[in-house]
Formats: sequence, C-alpha cells, structure tokens
Amino acid sequence: EAGVTQFPSHSVIEKGQTVTLRCDPISGHDNLYWYRRVMGKEIKFLLHFVKESKQDESGMPNNRFLAERTGGTYSTLKVQPAELEDSGVYFCASSQGPGREFFGPGTRLTVL
Amino acid sequence: RKEVEQDPGPFNVPEGATVAFNCTYSNSASQSFFWYRQDCRKEPKLLMSVYSSGNEDGRFTAQLNRASQYISLLIRDSKLSDSATYLCVVIGSNDYKLSFGAGTTVTVRA
Repeated sequence: EAGVTQFPSHSVIEKGQTVTLRCDPISGHDNLYWYRRVMGKEIKFLLHFVKESKQDESGMPNNRFLAERTGGTYSTLKVQPAELEDSGVYFCASSQGPGREFFGPGTRLTVL
Repeated sequence: RKEVEQDPGPFNVPEGATVAFNCTYSNSASQSFFWYRQDCRKEPKLLMSVYSSGNEDGRFTAQLNRASQYISLLIRDSKLSDSATYLCVVIGSNDYKLSFGAGTTVTVRA
C-alpha cells in the first residue's frame, strides 16, 4: 500500500515569493493533517481536514497560509508571501481515526 | 507551559543496556497517548500507543500515570537500530490533533 506522499521534498525560495506544497494521503483516509517543525522546536499542528472540510485550523499561523483539499483527496498548502520564519519542515499525515496518523516524508522549506 | 515536555537527552547507552525516559503533559483531559519514533531527517512513525494499564511491545514498555500526568518509555536490550529521537505525543479530549514533545534523543553505541 502506498504511503503518504509529499511534493516537493525540498523548496528554497526568497522572502516574498509564493510556494505551494502538495500532499497525497493514503487512499481511503478521510482525515488529513498538516504539521510543521521549525528548527529547534517541536512539531506543531497546523490544520485538520475531514474529507474536503476543514475540521480544525487553529494551528495556522496567519492568513499567509492557505490550505485546500478539493474533492477530499490530495491537499495543498500555499504560503503567500513567504517570510523567513516560515522555514521548516512541513509534514502531512493521514489517518482513518485519531492517533494512528501516517506521516509523509515532509517538505523542507527554506525561505531566504 | 508547553503541552508536552520531554527531557531532550541525549541518552548515550551501550548495546544491550536498558534506557528509560519520561514525558509530562499539561492537559489533564488528554485522552490518548503515543510514542512516535523519528530517525534523522525522516518522518515520525508510530512506535506504540500507551494504555492506562501499561503495555509492552517486544523490548519496549510504555507506562501511563494519569495522576502525575506523565508517560514513560523503557527500552530493554538496546540495539544500534534503536538510535533515534523518540517523540511523546498526546491527544486532547474531543480532539484529533497530535501535540508533540520536542523529542528525546537516544544513541546506542557498539
């Protein structure tokens, strides 16, 4: 069974540019999550989709971040415009129920 | 106060040794507890759930103390392949999101 996949694996952009991260969850998993690890800090929750609906977006840092999950399949996370403090590793995870999340390999974002 | 706190370590132990470490959580209403393992520059992977009665999975034993709000992980007969960062993870009540500790680094040496 294919796991959670994320694209790109790495992205280096300049401050002010836009970046879009993509996540393909495990087939059949209604729950999709975005998490972020900033250097030296713990992994932090960003938001949670159930199918195409945003269930909880309390972790989104600000309105420069926009997540979508059209059709309840893959999800995108757009950062526009990117700031230096957005650098980190963005993980996507999917699950059928709570606590059994399968994580993708992450996208390492560097904002210069 | 952080939701989940862990001793960052590192714990440097020889092969075959036993190593144990704890994590504490601040939300007394937390319902579910897990240990995840993360290898360098890789994604977190579920190691084991933690049940109130305590549970074992091979060389790994997890304990939960609700009264003191801490979770422990014990690794017996350490292997080189156990070297990793161990993440304590908690889910609150009526919630799906994972709250992570910063991780405890374990290095097993030959």
